Amino acid sequence: AQSVTQPDIHITVSEGASLELRCNYSYGATPYLFWYVQSPGQGLQLLLKYFSGDTLVQGIKGFEAEFKRSQSSFNLRKPSVHWSDAAEYFCAADVMDSSYKLIFGSGTRLLVRP
Amino acid sequence: DSGVTQTPKHLITATGQRVTLRCSPRSGDLSVYWYQQSLDQGLQFLIQYYNGEERAKGNILERFSAQQFPDLHSELNLSSLELGDSALYFCASTDRENGYNEQFFGPGTRLTVL
Repeated sequence: AQSVTQPDIHITVSEGASLELRCNYSYGATPYLFWYVQSPGQGLQLLLKYFSGDTLVQGIKGFEAEFKRSQSSFNLRKPSVHWSDAAEYFCAADVMDSSYKLIFGSGTRLLVRP
Repeated sequence: DSGVTQTPKHLITATGQRVTLRCSPRSGDLSVYWYQQSLDQGLQFLIQYYNGEERAKGNILERFSAQQFPDLHSELNLSSLELGDSALYFCASTDRENGYNEQFFGPGTRLTVL
C-alpha cells in the first residue's frame, strides 16, 4: 500500500544547530512530494515541494529537502535552527491518481532548546 | 494567508448532534479537499470535490457527507456525532486548470464532541 513514513516522532535540537527530518515513501512510481509545517493551533503551511528535476529543492524559511530515489527518501534540512522553527512537520505525497489527494506521514514534532 | 477560509474556527457540541463545517476555496480553485487530523489517526484524506462533483473518497464515515456548491464553496456535514469525531478538520483547495499545483490549506475547524 502507498505510504509515507516519518520515523521520528520527536526531535530536539539546540538553537543554531542543524536539523534533518526524515521522510520515506512507498509507492510504485515517484510521487510528488511535499513538506508542510504546522505551528500550534495553526493550519498547514507549505515549506517546499518536489515534482521533478533538480533533486535538491529550496523552500521558505531557509529549509531545503533532497529527493533520493534510491532510498525512497525526501529528507528536510535546515543548517541553523531558530526558536521559531519549533512546530510539527509533515511529509506528504501525492498519490498520483486522478484525485491528487495527499497521503501524510505521522509528523515529527520539533523542539528547540535555547 | 493561504486564501482558503474555514468557518467556524471552533465548534463544541454533544454526542448525537449534527454539525456543518464550511470552506471557501481560493479564488478560481475548482478542487476542494477535506482532511481530518486526529490524535490517533493523524492527517487523513476524507473526500474531494471538483467543480461541484465528488471526485474521490477516502476514509470518510457514512455519517459524514459533503457537497460543493455552484459558487465553489464546500460544506462537510457530520451527523450522529461520537466522541471519536473530535478532531481538526482541514479544507484545502487547488487549481488543476493550469497544470499541477500544490494544495493550499485553510486554518481548520476544531470540533470537540462532549
